Amino acid sequence: GAVVSQHPSWVICKSGTSVKIECRSLDFQATTMFWYRQFPKQSLMLMATSNEGSKATYEQGVEKDKFLINHASLTLSTLTVTSAHPEDSSFYICSALGRSSGNTIYFGEGSWLTVV
Amino acid sequence: AQTVTQSQPEMSVQEAETVTLSCTYDTSESDYYLFWYKQPPSRQMILVIRQEAYKQQNATENRFSVNFQKAAKSFSLKISDSQLGDAAMYFCAYKEEGGSEKLVFGKGTKLTVNP
Repeated sequence: GAVVSQHPSWVICKSGTSVKIECRSLDFQATTMFWYRQFPKQSLMLMATSNEGSKATYEQGVEKDKFLINHASLTLSTLTVTSAHPEDSSFYICSALGRSSGNTIYFGEGSWLTVV
Repeated sequence: AQTVTQSQPEMSVQEAETVTLSCTYDTSESDYYLFWYKQPPSRQMILVIRQEAYKQQNATENRFSVNFQKAAKSFSLKISDSQLGDAAMYFCAYKEEGGSEKLVFGKGTKLTVNP
């Protein structure tokens, strides 16, 4: 299957600072990338969908000014959590879909964010 | 809106035995894709198997197979010869053909494999 890499796997940041998480498709061009948040013992919650070169589409209830998503190239999308607070601590995971991924969505390894 | 229902929050199976995880979905579309993803304790989402709705033949991947009943909107996963490494959360997911492209997930089934 296709490979999606997410970095960093773990990050700790101070309250009020910003942190950036990268999602890269390593062996295919990702026309669409998705960002999810997962709370303990729950399913994945879609935060936003981003298409290369255009603004992200956010799900209802997700603050677009707090969770900045950029999809500047066909292999890279970034999620920036701005002015992070302890309640933003969570597991964030990205996924990607491309023309050569056969209509299958592949996931990155996920990133644990802890805000102290 | 499409919905995916996994009615079994938890399941357990003895090593080497067979277990079936249930999934039903609701859609008015005729063309779509269905997936089973596995999420082990590492939390990475791993694709287990996929099924195209236009294909009548059930998908199989080694010890994993599905029972796809399009009319009943049912998509169950059978794991044969269960192994300790199969222990994980399993999520059933739906994706439209075209359209929004996003996955709609069920709430997941936690599978425990007993030695």
